[in-house]
Amino acid sequence: NAGVTQTPKFQVLKTGQSMTLQCAQDMNHEYMSWYRQDPGMGLRLIHYSVGAGITDQGEVPNGYNVSRSTTEDFPLRLLSAAPSQTSVYFCASSSGALSSYEQYFGPGTRLTVT
Amino acid sequence: AQSVTQPDIHITVSEGASLELRCNYSYGATPYLFWYVQSPGQGLQLLLKYFSGDTLVQGIKGFEAEFKRSQSSFNLRKPSVHWSDAAEYFCAVAPSSGGSYIPTFGRGTSLIVHP
Repeated sequence: NAGVTQTPKFQVLKTGQSMTLQCAQDMNHEYMSWYRQDPGMGLRLIHYSVGAGITDQGEVPNGYNVSRSTTEDFPLRLLSAAPSQTSVYFCASSSGALSSYEQYFGPGTRLTVT
Repeated sequence: AQSVTQPDIHITVSEGASLELRCNYSYGATPYLFWYVQSPGQGLQLLLKYFSGDTLVQGIKGFEAEFKRSQSSFNLRKPSVHWSDAAEYFCAVAPSSGGSYIPTFGRGTSLIVHP
């Protein structure tokens, strides 16, 4: 099992550019989510999905889009990058089952917007 | 909606000393509670979780946490800290009924361990 994988590990964008952060998991987890981590702010939820075809907004969704066409993949799209989106992005998945309920995190993508 | 507060941004302890990291939550009922650890440059790893039952839960790496309903707290403890415990620690809370079961994280406590 690779667990949760994220690509790329690092990315530099110019203001206004668009890009997609990739996230994949091979554990057949129903729940997937995207967080951003900023100094002193902890992890803030951007978007999440409770299954293929179902997504919802988290705490800080503006400027980001997601889709969930398969159970395995949950890409995060930045439509027009802004310096405020400079952050470390983590993707996570969980089975949602009460007996587990553990979130498995990817290694993160460090994004800089200039 | 649930929320979680970690009042300490940084904690410094000496190696071998005991440790307690504080976590307070806000939720209308008993939530699901978690502690995660993040080593530098890494993702988060689950240390322990509380769903129901015994209020003292044991986790990995010698950590334990105690759920106190009267204080809305879920503090993390370790009797003797090792230098390798230096990391960022996050408390998280998830709703136990309804909702998305996606946890809300606190802002984290950075643990510094002196030799």
